[in-house]
Amino acid sequence: QVQLVQSGAEVKKPGASVKVSCKASGYTFTGYYMHWVRQAPGQGLEWMGWINPNSGGTNYAQKFQGRVTMTRDTSISTAYMELSRLRSDDTAVYYCASERGYCSSTSCFNWFDPWGQGTLVTVSS
Amino acid sequence: EIVLTQSPGTLSLSPGERATLSCRASQSVSSSYLAWYQQKPGQAPRLLIYGASSRATGIPDRFSGSGSGTDFTLTISRLEPEDFAVYYCQQYGSSTGYTFGQGTKLEIK
Repeated sequence: QVQLVQSGAEVKKPGASVKVSCKASGYTFTGYYMHWVRQAPGQGLEWMGWINPNSGGTNYAQKFQGRVTMTRDTSISTAYMELSRLRSDDTAVYYCASERGYCSSTSCFNWFDPWGQGTLVTVSS
Repeated sequence: EIVLTQSPGTLSLSPGERATLSCRASQSVSSSYLAWYQQKPGQAPRLLIYGASSRATGIPDRFSGSGSGTDFTLTISRLEPEDFAVYYCQQYGSSTGYTFGQGTKLEIK
């Protein structure tokens, strides 16, 4: 079945970097954009950016530009999200999500499905 | 950036009742790029509705979506115990990117 499996929880000190992985299975990894979304404790969902696994092209939310790097390894169907210069307010669950969609004769549609199980990143001194 | 405002913040209802959740955009969004997700504690979000009104695969028909322009609605016709969760709307715009609403918590009354 279509599935995204993320790496395990991380604890980092302020100023450090973290790299989270997301391994895809059950579909053609290079066929669908991969997005990263985070959720601070008790808060809502925040979109961080996407990577095109085919070309490696990326698009980051303005808030994270300069601190986030999204990469992929097509040989193992895995996407990565690295966040640098971590602060305490980066403590959150980080999700990867595959973008799906289609175009009819009149409109195009897209959505996020499936999602990874989430990776808790804790930033604490 | 388009801001999505969901209301109410918390909705307290009983099983069997009808739930109506609202998502209002700060400017017009394409309904084909409006989706709804359900999230239960400790779980990843799950896709419910895409294109404002199309149910995702496996989603019960008690869930329905409607709306256009700046006003969208998720309706759950008869609440089941497993429907109590947090619900998020999400939109995409080519020039504005992807944004989520802040969520509506649906709790048991």
